Amino acid sequence: GAVVSQHPSWVICKSGTSVKIECRSLDFQATTMFWYRQFPKQSLMLMATSNEGSKATYEQGVEKDKFLINHASLTLSTLTVTSAHPEDSSFYICSAREGGSDFEQYFGPGTRLTVT
Amino acid sequence: GQNIDQPTEMTATEGAIVQINCTYQTSGFNGLFWYQQHAGEAPTFLSYNVLDGLEEKGRFSSFLSRSKGYSYLLLKELQMKDSASYLCAVMDSNYQLIWGAGTKLIIKP
Repeated sequence: GAVVSQHPSWVICKSGTSVKIECRSLDFQATTMFWYRQFPKQSLMLMATSNEGSKATYEQGVEKDKFLINHASLTLSTLTVTSAHPEDSSFYICSAREGGSDFEQYFGPGTRLTVT
Repeated sequence: GQNIDQPTEMTATEGAIVQINCTYQTSGFNGLFWYQQHAGEAPTFLSYNVLDGLEEKGRFSSFLSRSKGYSYLLLKELQMKDSASYLCAVMDSNYQLIWGAGTKLIIKP
């Protein structure tokens, strides 16, 4: 149980275009979803936390107008990278938490974004 | 500020034992997690400690001392597939995970 999927697993886009990444909890309802970014040989960097039905909370330094997060249901959150630039190329990972007494975060497989 | 420290890289021999240490200073404590991450993949959960002591799970064990702000992950009977990064993360008073930079473990035959 506790499976999280991400789509797409990898994407290449041109500079200036937008890319949407989906994160789904397949067998549980995720009250909270997290979006991380990871550059090569670095640790995970939390970008934002989203609770179903409310606005995402962005970490300091993360542009909310550039990284649009929508958590419209208990099983789906989306991250849209708008007007992507080469420096946005990274590994984007989502995780989901069921809540209640379960504090574990279940990670999706990640999405590798390359902006050319 | 909040801080998680763990060694950047460690090397061990196949079949041996290795201990990866993690020290932390956070605003509040609601548990410590260890994750394994292979290159190019997302992290996978290894262990969760919220009380002091040792938790054993197969070849992997995790220890916690809250008074010392210290944890370690112990890997026994090392296998080549254990070559990965090991991430220590602490859940703070806001139930947010604070991540360490990870320890890259290299296993040699």
